[in-house]
Amino acid sequence: GAVVSQHPSWVICKSGTSVKIECRSLDFQATTMFWYRQFPKQSLMLMATSNEGSKATYEQGVEKDKFLINHASLTLSTLTVTSAHPEDSSFYICSAPHPGGGYEQYFGPGTRLTVT
Amino acid sequence: GDSVTQMEGPVTLSEEAFLTINCTYTATGYPSLFWYVQYPGEGLQLLLKATKADDKGSNKGFEATYRKETTSFHLEKGSVQVSDSAVYFCALSGGSEKLVFGKGMKLTVNP
Repeated sequence: GAVVSQHPSWVICKSGTSVKIECRSLDFQATTMFWYRQFPKQSLMLMATSNEGSKATYEQGVEKDKFLINHASLTLSTLTVTSAHPEDSSFYICSAPHPGGGYEQYFGPGTRLTVT
Repeated sequence: GDSVTQMEGPVTLSEEAFLTINCTYTATGYPSLFWYVQYPGEGLQLLLKATKADDKGSNKGFEATYRKETTSFHLEKGSVQVSDSAVYFCALSGGSEKLVFGKGMKLTVNP
């Protein structure tokens, strides 16, 4: 089946630095990808929709200048957490829609970000 | 807006026990409903889905029926195995590719 990868799987950074997380669709093209944030013992919160060839669409309350999203190609979307702070520590997950439609999503394994 | 409410757990069961995870939803229109599963160290995977009322989704011994009258999509399995230990998420799609998730329920099955 279709596979979505994320890199890195975990990262530790210092407060004030920026971190880039990659999301790749390995065997299919995705004009749209989604970025989620998962807090401990909580559900996935949709942060933004990444659109190939156009600007990302951010959900209400998500700072677009802090969470920069670039859909560089039909198989790659990146999320950059700028000027990271400890409260940005979380599990970030991306997904891409099933190429056959039907609203099914393929999810990456997630990236654990820890800001010290 | 659309929302999903599900049992949160955590729940611990013995092997071969019966499993029910309740899920109810609020949505305008007629959403598609999903159960996703997240095994330890892995990404979320689609377990089953239903796209219209009275549809029954099934996979790996799990079943869930789309009940419009009760706005529910409860997940059931008659006999769980140790390999079913995971976090289970109920989700809906209200006609776009965006998914709305419940909070997830961690299941541990002991031998």
